Amino acid sequence: KNEVEQSPQNLTAQEGEFITINCSYSVGISALHWLQQHPGGGIVSLFMLSSGKKKHGRLIATINIQEKHSSLHITASHPRDSAVYICAVDDQKLVFGQGTRLTINP
Amino acid sequence: DTEVTQTPKHLVMGMTNKKSLKCEQHMGHRAMYWYKQKAKKPPELMFVYSYEKLSINESVPSRFSPECPNSSLLNLHLHALQPEDSALYLCASSQGWAGEQYFGPGTRLTVT
Repeated sequence: KNEVEQSPQNLTAQEGEFITINCSYSVGISALHWLQQHPGGGIVSLFMLSSGKKKHGRLIATINIQEKHSSLHITASHPRDSAVYICAVDDQKLVFGQGTRLTINP
Repeated sequence: DTEVTQTPKHLVMGMTNKKSLKCEQHMGHRAMYWYKQKAKKPPELMFVYSYEKLSINESVPSRFSPECPNSSLLNLHLHALQPEDSALYLCASSQGWAGEQYFGPGTRLTVT
């Protein structure tokens, strides 16, 4: 069974800071997902990665298949980025990490 | 239309009630999912439908009964629930078996 570990569990930063959230997994996968969940519930898919790097606006996601590790970066962070960020790996079904609660203070 | 809709948004039900949650998507996705999420925890997979057939049941108690009447619609029928079943119930869909999942806003269920 794939084990998905995220770090940190909680992160508080000031507006404008560069943010990095890490995700590691134990077994080879076909794809890795980064998801965002705001208070109130709805989950938004940010990225689906199987190799390399993807960028969307201020968000960048990278994956190293050999090291079984992915990072999500947020540049020029803003209070509206405050949310829970969840890493999930495709292992016949999605296996979720515990999430990283990000708070960006103005 | 890249939206998954869920109704109702909130539901309060007694332990003897029967209710249903509804999920709809019009993206032509052939896989649909039910997840349960407790506070401050990641979602837990309950059921997966692929091409309108139940593909995965994650040993969910029979008081939860899924139904996929057509490729756009997914229901979750609830009967004789327990207070510990109170949670956010999320529906998702994807184009195929593995792929980017689009989540609905969820139904927040309270069992009294």
